[in-house]
Amino acid sequence: GQQVMQIPQYQHVQEGEDFTTYCNSSTTLSNIQWYKQRPGGHPVFLIQLVKSGEVKKQKRLTFQFGEAKKNSSLHITATQTTDVGTYFCAGPPNFGNEKLTFGTGTRLTIIP
Amino acid sequence: EAGVTQSPTHLIKTRGQQATLRCSPISGHTSVYWYQQALGLGLQFLLWYDEGEERNRGNFPPRFSGRQFPNYSSELNVNALELEDSALYLCASSLVGGPGFGSGTRLTVV
Repeated sequence: GQQVMQIPQYQHVQEGEDFTTYCNSSTTLSNIQWYKQRPGGHPVFLIQLVKSGEVKKQKRLTFQFGEAKKNSSLHITATQTTDVGTYFCAGPPNFGNEKLTFGTGTRLTIIP
Repeated sequence: EAGVTQSPTHLIKTRGQQATLRCSPISGHTSVYWYQQALGLGLQFLLWYDEGEERNRGNFPPRFSGRQFPNYSSELNVNALELEDSALYLCASSLVGGPGFGSGTRLTVV
C-alpha cells in the first residue's frame, strides 16, 4: 500500500535558524497537504499543493511539491518558539482514492 | 460555523471492554474520517464514511468498526480493547482542501 515517509523524525534548532522537513511518497499523489500539530493539540491544516512543481509561501513558511508529485518539502525561515510542534504531510494516491495517508511527521523543537 | 466535534474528550477503559467514540462533522459535510494517533507515531487512517456507507478502511482488525447516521454524525466502536489501543482518536470531515479535525478522544486502556 501507499507509504508516506518524512525526514527527519525529530529536529532541534536554535531560535532564528531555518528548518526543513521532507516528505516522500511511495506512490504519485494527486495533491499534498501539510498539517501542524502543537503539543497536546490536534492537527491543523496549513496548505494544499496540487500542481507539479508548485511552490507556495505563507509568511516564513515555504511549501514545495515535487515535479513527479511524489515528494514535498516545508521550509521555515528564522524559526520562532511558536513554530514548535509536529509537522505532517498527507496525500491521497493519484487514482482518486480519498483515503488520506499521513506522513510519519517531523517533531520540531526550538531552543530559545 | 461549528467545526468537527468529538466526544468524549477522554475515555478510560479496561482491557477487553468496548469503547464508543462519537463525531459530528462540519455542517453540510457528508464524509467522516477516523484516524488513530498512537503515542510517538503518526496519524493512521482507520475508516472513511460517506453518505452512511463505509467507503474505505485502513489496516486495522475487524474489532475496529463504526457507522454513520442519517445526520452524518459517526460512531467509532472498538471491541475487545487491548492495551495498544490506547491512543488519540481523531475525526475529520471532508478532506478536500483540508478543513481540519476534531479535538480528538484520548482513549486509555488499562
